[in-house]
Amino acid sequence: DTAVSQTPKYLVTQMGNDKSIKCEQNLGHDTMYWYKQDSKKFLKIMFSYNNKELIINETVPNRFSPKSPDKAHLNLHINSLELGDSAVYFCASSQVAQGHGYTFGSGTRLTVV
Amino acid sequence: GENVEQHPSTLSVQEGDSAVIKCTYSDSASNYFPWYKQELGKRPQLIIDIRSNVGEKKDQRIAVTLNKTAKHFSLHITETQPEDSAVYFCAASSNQFYFGTGTSLTVIP
Repeated sequence: DTAVSQTPKYLVTQMGNDKSIKCEQNLGHDTMYWYKQDSKKFLKIMFSYNNKELIINETVPNRFSPKSPDKAHLNLHINSLELGDSAVYFCASSQVAQGHGYTFGSGTRLTVV
Repeated sequence: GENVEQHPSTLSVQEGDSAVIKCTYSDSASNYFPWYKQELGKRPQLIIDIRSNVGEKKDQRIAVTLNKTAKHFSLHITETQPEDSAVYFCAASSNQFYFGTGTSLTVIP
């Protein structure tokens, strides 16, 4: 069983489009995250979310919005895509109370053309 | 907030040699320090972690050391093999993770 699954794995789309990336975890973790990894491999936190609190990195444009239908899912919706949004996006989850490390999804490579 | 610095950004070693990656952190409240390995085109995966009440932890060829006073921690890989080639990330955490900028390790056969 895949612990943290993301879909799609690859996404190619035109500038100006709106797209969503889905993430699901079956680990029973209480917190989920979205990270952006650019061409330099930097892992940049975008959002963290549990059933009580959404924490947004203030540098993330408001074109990006997380949506969580339940504690096992945290989807990422992106409006008006720009060329600079091209990157690999990783979903992750953790059980914060236990102080364990993250489990990452397999990533979504987004290419905006 | 926390600031995690990681060095070097790239590292090349001969197969069989040791590799050391160092990280420093700024927030004395950080109490959990994981290391992640990311192979090309794959997800970061946890390889070892250490908590602030421990100074050293070892798992086969990899070990991590922590100096709380100096606020630095290091990853040591001994007897390196080509399959150790990857990008390695350190992180420091109290209630939120802060990742280092990554080290691209190449092990030359």
